[in-house]
Amino acid sequence: DTAVSQTPKYLVTQMGNDKSIKCEQNLGHDTMYWYKQDSKKFLKIMFSYNNKELIINETVPNRFSPKSPDKAHLNLHINSLELGDSAVYFCASSQDPGLSGNTIYFGEGSWLTVV
Amino acid sequence: AQTVTQSQPEMSVQEAETVTLSCTYDTSESNYYLFWYKQPPSRQMILVIRQEAYKQQNATENRFSVNFQKAAKSFSLKISDSQLGDTAMYFCAFMILADMRFGAGTRLTVKP
Repeated sequence: DTAVSQTPKYLVTQMGNDKSIKCEQNLGHDTMYWYKQDSKKFLKIMFSYNNKELIINETVPNRFSPKSPDKAHLNLHINSLELGDSAVYFCASSQDPGLSGNTIYFGEGSWLTVV
Repeated sequence: AQTVTQSQPEMSVQEAETVTLSCTYDTSESNYYLFWYKQPPSRQMILVIRQEAYKQQNATENRFSVNFQKAAKSFSLKISDSQLGDTAMYFCAFMILADMRFGAGTRLTVKP
């Protein structure tokens, strides 16, 4: 069973479209994340949710909106897609950040290509 | 703000030899965690090893070990008996609570 699963794994779409990436974790973790990895392989945190509450919100365009219906799910919706949004988006999860010994577990990534 | 620096964009090593990847970080915090993640061509992020800052003993995990120098803010990864399957990008990461920051990565190639 996949611990952190993302769908779709591959997505090719045109500029201006709106798309969503879904993420689910079955690890019982309280915290979920979205990371973006650009073409130069640089990984940057976008958002972090703890028990459905937003706790980290980096400087990300308003076109990106995370939604956490429950603590096992964190979806990413992107409006008006731009060429620069092309990247691999990783969902991840960890235990409550206040606990010691937490480790972030990553999904397999969603490869988004905007044409 | 916390920063993580990996000064070696690319490295190579012969199979069965040992290689060390460097990582430095900058923080004013005293309680944090450090990680090395491996990313093979499949792009999957795989945890290699973890170190708690409050522990003086260096973490080891089979062929992987770290040299953690807290005062110097250095966290290097040593891979012993390198194998072809170790070929990947390696990312050093720093974490406080829910905030994990990554270095730019080191591309390691193991040559037969």
